[in-house]
Amino acid sequence: AQSVTQLGSHVSVSEGALVLLRCNYSSSVPPYLFWYVQYPNQGLQLLLKYTSAATLVKGINGFEAEFKKSETSFHLTKPSAHMSDAAEYFCAESGWPRRGSSASKIIFGSGTRLSIRP
Amino acid sequence: NAGVMQNPRHLVRRRGQEARLRCSPMKGHSHVYWYRQLPEEGLKFMVYLQKENIIDESGMPKERFSAEFPKEGPSILRIQQVVRGDSAAYFCASSQVSGLSSYNEQFFGPGTRLTVL
Repeated sequence: AQSVTQLGSHVSVSEGALVLLRCNYSSSVPPYLFWYVQYPNQGLQLLLKYTSAATLVKGINGFEAEFKKSETSFHLTKPSAHMSDAAEYFCAESGWPRRGSSASKIIFGSGTRLSIRP
Repeated sequence: NAGVMQNPRHLVRRRGQEARLRCSPMKGHSHVYWYRQLPEEGLKFMVYLQKENIIDESGMPKERFSAEFPKEGPSILRIQQVVRGDSAAYFCASSQVSGLSSYNEQFFGPGTRLTVL
């Protein structure tokens, strides 16, 4: 079964420091990979997505992620953390479409809560 | 263009009552997905529907839960005889129809937070 593993349920960094959130996927050839952000009591916002084009994907708010097939990883980074980056981050991969359908479910990791220290 | 809309945003039910959660997809979207987020956990897929059809219900509990997406109107997630363990945030997402080789981005609604007393 497909699964997504996020290492570290809670990450704390200082403002201005590098942000690194780790994610490993399970599929040998994942259709698509994503990072979502969730602010308290809100829905999910897509940060970036990998769709088998460039392996380095740039997203919103200065975030980027690199797809590494040899490591089955899709880690999220940001060079300099802002206080506004404090939120829950979810790594996810898409399932394979069912026969006759062009879309499928998304499989989420358990999330990493990012805290920013002043 | 309004995003995915869910109502109610908060729902309180007593054990044994029914809960109905509604989701209006984005304009032009005919695929709807329901996910459940238990406290301190990630989102878990429940069901994927197209208009009048259930495509994938592999994440739905076998009993008490049902979903529909009629030709007209919103998608409904129905939970009968709720129990405390049903307390969670339920998120709906929608996507467009496109070709088999295309990527269909899912857009998420703000969620309905269900509390069972």
